Amino acid sequence: AQTVTQSQPEMSVQEAETVTLSCTYDTSESDYYLFWYKQPPSRQMILVIRQEAYKQQNATENRFSVNFQKAAKSFSLKISDSQLGDAAMYFCAYRTGANNLFFGTGTRLTVIP
Amino acid sequence: NAGVTQTPKFQVLKTGQSMTLQCAQDMNHNSMYWYRQDPGMGLRLIYYSASEGTTDKGEVPNGYNVSRLNKREFSLRLESAAPSQTSVYFCASSYRTGNQPQHFGDGTRLSIL
Repeated sequence: AQTVTQSQPEMSVQEAETVTLSCTYDTSESDYYLFWYKQPPSRQMILVIRQEAYKQQNATENRFSVNFQKAAKSFSLKISDSQLGDAAMYFCAYRTGANNLFFGTGTRLTVIP
Repeated sequence: NAGVTQTPKFQVLKTGQSMTLQCAQDMNHNSMYWYRQDPGMGLRLIYYSASEGTTDKGEVPNGYNVSRLNKREFSLRLESAAPSQTSVYFCASSYRTGNQPQHFGDGTRLSIL
């Protein structure tokens, strides 16, 4: 069974600083996809970044980047130059094939002004 | 662009009542999904429809039924609501290929008394 673990229920970061959110997953598949979603208080689920397992290069989207360690089954999210608008719940998710996403339990990020 | 639209946004039911949650997407996506989100947990898949005319059970299907009415619409029905079904329900859609992200609606907060 696929499982996704986010071991940090809460994190905080000073505005303009960098923070890393951790995620590990368990799978026997070799081809899969990983995502980070952001859920602000508005409750929307917003895609932040995605990574294909077959790609060795870490994905980057502006201030957001990942550290993908396939052998260790680790997929952490780094947020640089943190902004107040980054405050939200962040969910790591795993997907194989065309089917559903498996989500972690989330990390609540607080940005301190 | 509307994206994924869910109705209603809020609902309160009594135990034993029935209700249908509606979801529609205008992105011409093949696949649609229903998730529930409970406190302290990530989203869990209830049912999904990989393509028009097909539906499959997800992780937590008991107590629910779904209908893929057409390519745009995917409804979730609670036949006899129970307090354990109090949750926030999200509909999502995506193209079939695995690296394509799921796009989420704004959620429905459902309370069963």
